[in-house]
Amino acid sequence: EAGVAQSPRYKIIEKRQSVAFWCNPISGHATLYWYQQILGQGPKLLIQFQNNGVVDDSQLPKDRFSAERLKGVDSTLKIQPAKLEDSAVYLCASGIRANYGYTFGSGTRLTVV
Amino acid sequence: QKEVEQNSGPLSVPEGAIASLNCTYSDRGSQSFFWYRQYSGKSPELIMFIYSNGDKEDGRFTAQLNKASQYVSLLIRDSQPSDSATYLCAVLYSSASKIIFGSGTRLSIRP
Repeated sequence: EAGVAQSPRYKIIEKRQSVAFWCNPISGHATLYWYQQILGQGPKLLIQFQNNGVVDDSQLPKDRFSAERLKGVDSTLKIQPAKLEDSAVYLCASGIRANYGYTFGSGTRLTVV
Repeated sequence: QKEVEQNSGPLSVPEGAIASLNCTYSDRGSQSFFWYRQYSGKSPELIMFIYSNGDKEDGRFTAQLNKASQYVSLLIRDSQPSDSATYLCAVLYSSASKIIFGSGTRLSIRP
């Protein structure tokens, strides 16, 4: 079974620039999540999709972050404009049902300078 | 505020000993509990999940759940250097259908 694919692996941008991350979940997984993990902390949920609908985006800073999941498969997460405190690893995860746990992708490490 | 609390460590355990990792959570309605292992520079990997009170064993790993005390633990028997990692406790808050993570406990197995 192919895992959760994410790209790019690394990204360095200047503050106030924009950036986008891409995620392709495991085939058949209806639920997709984006987490932000700052160094030394646990993952923090940003947004949760069920198919192509948003289930929870209460922790997403909507003034600068946006996410979409077209056709219920791939998803993109965008930051515009980026701030220094957005430096983190952005993890995408997918699952069949939340109570079975998720599988994470390899993540995108973002550095904002 | 839904919370998952873990001791950040580091927890240092000699090779071959039992490592014990603990976690508490705030929402009494939680139904599912997970342990993820995260090596440095890598993404979290699911190693155990537990739904019912009591113990669940999988190889060298045992997850323990006490819902009355809102307490979850992970025991690693015969600890190996390859077990050195950060262990993340995660809780499914059914009211919100989302998994909340603790900040993780860093485990170091010394030869």
